[in-house]
Amino acid sequence: GAVVSQHPSWVICKSGTSVKIECRSLDFQATTMFWYRQFPKQSLMLMATSNEGSKATYEQGVEKDKFLINHASLTLSTLTVTSAHPEDSSFYICSAPVRRGNQPQHFGDGTRLSIL
Amino acid sequence: AQRVTQPEKLLSVFKGAPVELKCNYSYSGSPELFWYVQYSRQRLQLLLRHISRESIKGFTADLNKGETSFHLKKPFAQEEDSAMYYCALSRSTLGRLYFGRGTQLTVWP
Repeated sequence: GAVVSQHPSWVICKSGTSVKIECRSLDFQATTMFWYRQFPKQSLMLMATSNEGSKATYEQGVEKDKFLINHASLTLSTLTVTSAHPEDSSFYICSAPVRRGNQPQHFGDGTRLSIL
Repeated sequence: AQRVTQPEKLLSVFKGAPVELKCNYSYSGSPELFWYVQYSRQRLQLLLRHISRESIKGFTADLNKGETSFHLKKPFAQEEDSAMYYCALSRSTLGRLYFGRGTQLTVWP
């Protein structure tokens, strides 16, 4: 089945550091990928839609300069949290829609980001 | 605008008891409704989608357009059903998902 790989799974870093999270579609091409943020015991909130070869579409309230998204190929989207601060600590999950199988979307394992 | 509401944040039942996780939605069009499950330390995975009308791991969910509900049910809960359950809505099959806040189900032995 279709697989989405997300890396790294856990990051701990100092405040002010920029962190890059990768989301890869391993056996299918993804022209679109979604980036979600999940706070502990809360729902997943869409941050942005990543589009291959064009600019990402950000949800209202999400800072574009803070959360940089690049979707340079059909199998890779990256989310860079720039100058991260403790309030950016969260669980970030990517997903990619796929037109086969029973699941219309496949999720990565998520990245737990902890900013000290 | 679309919205998914899961009224229960926590739900506990004993093994063998029936369980129902509630989900209500609001959307003016014809949505696709899903139930996702997240077991401890695992990725989010699809449990059910309304267009499939199938039973997975004993769970069923029926879309009630009149009540705008998509409740998840299982007649006899098992301990391994303990997990976080999310109801989600999509405006199209491959579109973004709108998630409810999730219900943490705990099944006691």
